[in-house]
Amino acid sequence: AQTVTQSQPEMSVQEAETVTLSCTYDTSESDYYLFWYKQPPSRQMILVIRQEAYKQQNATENRFSVNFQKAAKSFSLKISDSQLGDAAMYFCAKANAGGTSYGKLTFGQGTILTVHP
Amino acid sequence: SQTIHQWPATLVQPVGSPLSLECTVEGTSNPNLYWYRQAAGRGLQLLFYSVGIGQISSEVPQNLSASRPQDRQFILSSKKLLLSDSGFYLCAWSIRGVVNTGELFFGEGSRLTVL
Repeated sequence: AQTVTQSQPEMSVQEAETVTLSCTYDTSESDYYLFWYKQPPSRQMILVIRQEAYKQQNATENRFSVNFQKAAKSFSLKISDSQLGDAAMYFCAKANAGGTSYGKLTFGQGTILTVHP
Repeated sequence: SQTIHQWPATLVQPVGSPLSLECTVEGTSNPNLYWYRQAAGRGLQLLFYSVGIGQISSEVPQNLSASRPQDRQFILSSKKLLLSDSGFYLCAWSIRGVVNTGELFFGEGSRLTVL
């Protein structure tokens, strides 16, 4: 079975500082998608950033960027200039590309991020 | 724009009672639909997915079932709840076909407590 591992159950960061959340995964596929989702307390889970495995360039969305190391099967999320609104549970997830595999994500256990003012 | 709603938001049920959680999607057609469960302190586990009306695939053996009576309606059910069914249930949808980027769009979630 495919696995996604987030080794940091909890992380904390000072407001305006930078924090990196770690994620590793297991796969035999060459083409797949990787995601970071954010789940704020009592709010809907939303997509933060997406990486396509065939693209070597790391994805970036404003203050959020990833460090995608395909050979190492590593996919970390860097949050720059952290804000109070970034406090949430963050999930790393992976989906195989193609056919009915679309949408069948495998999630990590999640990392709770606390942002201190 | 597309929206997804699921209800009820919170449910407390006794062991052995039935369950029905409902999810509807608006603003899109022919979506793939999913039910995930999030147990406390753990990640999300895919329970069921559907690529069309009446087409349900189960990912894990369990006490639950799913149905898709209409294109944009997805229902999670149980005839007799177990304590182990407690958790946070999330409905999600994705675009079907080659334009799919793998992204899931989630509902607000339903918190089920079985006593």
